[in-house]
Order: sequence, then structure tokens, then C-alpha cells
Amino acid sequence: EAQVTQNPRYLITVTGKKLTVTCSQNMNHEYMSWYRQDPGLGLRQIYYSMNVEVTDKGDVPEGYKVSRKEKRNFPLILESPSPNQTSLYFCASSTSGGLNEQFFGPGTRLTVL
Amino acid sequence: GQSLEQPSEVTAVEGAIVQINCTYQTSGFYGLSWYQQHDGGAPTFLSYNALDGLEETGRFSSFLSRSDSYGYLLLQELQMKDSASYFCAVRDGSNTGKLIFGQGTTLQVKP
Repeated sequence: EAQVTQNPRYLITVTGKKLTVTCSQNMNHEYMSWYRQDPGLGLRQIYYSMNVEVTDKGDVPEGYKVSRKEKRNFPLILESPSPNQTSLYFCASSTSGGLNEQFFGPGTRLTVL
Repeated sequence: GQSLEQPSEVTAVEGAIVQINCTYQTSGFYGLSWYQQHDGGAPTFLSYNALDGLEETGRFSSFLSRSDSYGYLLLQELQMKDSASYFCAVRDGSNTGKLIFGQGTTLQVKP
């Protein structure tokens, strides 16, 4: 089944404790992206990757890191999480630059205390 | 930079037709996408318009007018399950994967 998976789905952590949210897709998509969603603010792009070893900043990259060592995986790293990073995070992938059909993962609900 | 405007809420009754508008300001235009998101769920792709005109997919249609920097999503024969949030999205510049989403329109379908 074609899908984007994210882990963990739910995470409660404390300020400053490094964490990684994994994202994997099995559709051989070149493009992958991370978003955060906060009430009233819609989806805001954090980072995106047009292909392996190619990543770039979205609208809200501060406090996040990403890597794209393999085509299928695009982990999101929070080196020192803070409470303002409490949010719902989505990973997505698509074939061509993101504007055409993006497939979204199920989301990761992160709470930073 | 880019910006998109959508109404925050729309209410309609079952069986009716509803139109959700999206106006955009961009330095270049590379197409307009629409996504649906049910409460707490993942967004799902509905449509993509790169050229002017109407694209129809079942009960849903999407329209684009590049000269007016405007598009809309049209939902016909509304069903209760259409109650969801709807987002439009554009690309921020050429040769880039940076995307901007609107803040979303919450559609409530009433019996």
C-alpha cells in the first residue's frame, strides 16, 4: 500500500531534550516536506527536499533540522525543543515539486513541556 | 512574498452547493492546489489548477482565473461527510519546492 509513515504519532517531552520524528515513504517520490499545523494558522512549511541530499528552508525553519540521505526517509530533528514547538506535525511527499498531489503522513502530535 | 486569503468558515445544508474562494498574491504563479482535512486527520489532495478554467472531479470542481489571482473550490450535492477544513496552496517562486498554504476554510454541513 502506497503510504507515508511517521513515528512517533504522539510524543510528550521536556524542554531541551533532543528528539527526532521519522518520516518514510514507499512511493519513490523525489519531493518530501515537513509542515506544522497550529490552530488558526493552517499548514506552515518547515523544510522541504527536492531530492536526495537536497534540502531547503520553508517558512518556519527556526529550531528544526532535516536530512535526506535516502530517497525514502526525511527525518525532522529538534535539537533543543521549546514549548513553542508544541504542534501537530505532518510529513508529505510527491512526485514533482510539491504543488501536484502531495501524500501526507498521519501526523505527529508533539507536546514540549 | 506570497499570501493567500480564504474565508475562515462556511456553513451550508446537505444537498446544497457551496463555493470556497481563494485569492492569492504571488511574485510568479505556478498553479493552485486544494486539500481537504477532516478534524485531526491528514490533509488529502483534491485538485490542482495550472491553467484558467474549471476542473471537475465528481462532486468537486476547482476553478482558476490567473488574471484575477483567484480560484475557488465548488462542492456540489453536499454530504455530511464533506464537513472539514479546506486549504488552498501555491508555490513560492520558481524552481523551488517552497509552498504556502492558506489558513483554511472550515465547512460545516448541516442536515
